[in-house]
Amino acid sequence: GQQLNQSPQSMFIQEGEDVSMNCTSSSIFNTWLWYKQDPGEGPVLLIALYKAGELTSNGRLTAQFGITRKDSFLNISASIPSDVGIYFCAGRNKGNKLVFGAGTILRVKS
Amino acid sequence: KAGVTQTPRYLIKTRGQQVTLSCSPISGHRSVSWYQQTPGQGLQFLFEYFSETQRNKGNFPGRFSGRQFSNSRSEMNVSTLELGDSALYLCASSLEALTAEQYFGPGTRLTVT
Repeated sequence: GQQLNQSPQSMFIQEGEDVSMNCTSSSIFNTWLWYKQDPGEGPVLLIALYKAGELTSNGRLTAQFGITRKDSFLNISASIPSDVGIYFCAGRNKGNKLVFGAGTILRVKS
Repeated sequence: KAGVTQTPRYLIKTRGQQVTLSCSPISGHRSVSWYQQTPGQGLQFLFEYFSETQRNKGNFPGRFSGRQFSNSRSEMNVSTLELGDSALYLCASSLEALTAEQYFGPGTRLTVT
């Protein structure tokens, strides 16, 4: 089936640094979403993108819907300890199913 | 507004048994989707319900089934449990069917022994 390639798999960064992660696919998606999951909890929606080229911010988070509709990136500026967790990208395809990436594990050194 | 609630939070079952998980969506949300999350396969879509009808289905065997009630609450059932069914089962609700913005509950951790 369709797959989303999410990278990097994990990151270990210094507090205050900017973080960047991305998702790519060989297939076109109509919507891109970014979620964060903390241990023992369900994923929390961070940003939703609906149009190719769209750039959207949510506080220190910025995400973009790639113009080819096959990729998306998420940036986190000035990371803080509570940013730790697993970040997932998800795309909604023509069949209207939500397909998830494998996740990026973010660890922050304080 | 209360979020998505799932019960039970933890469950231990034996191979061959069946299990029923419950999900209450956010008030006013009419669509409920179910996902299975495992370390090996990640988050995988099971099915979506809207107005008591299954609107979309993932690639899972028929042992996995679900239903939605008139108050939008949903249940999923897994029959003849296998060890590989051990996973975190997540429910997500959205306002309408086939809407991208889904809001997840905390999940039910199922362990099959």
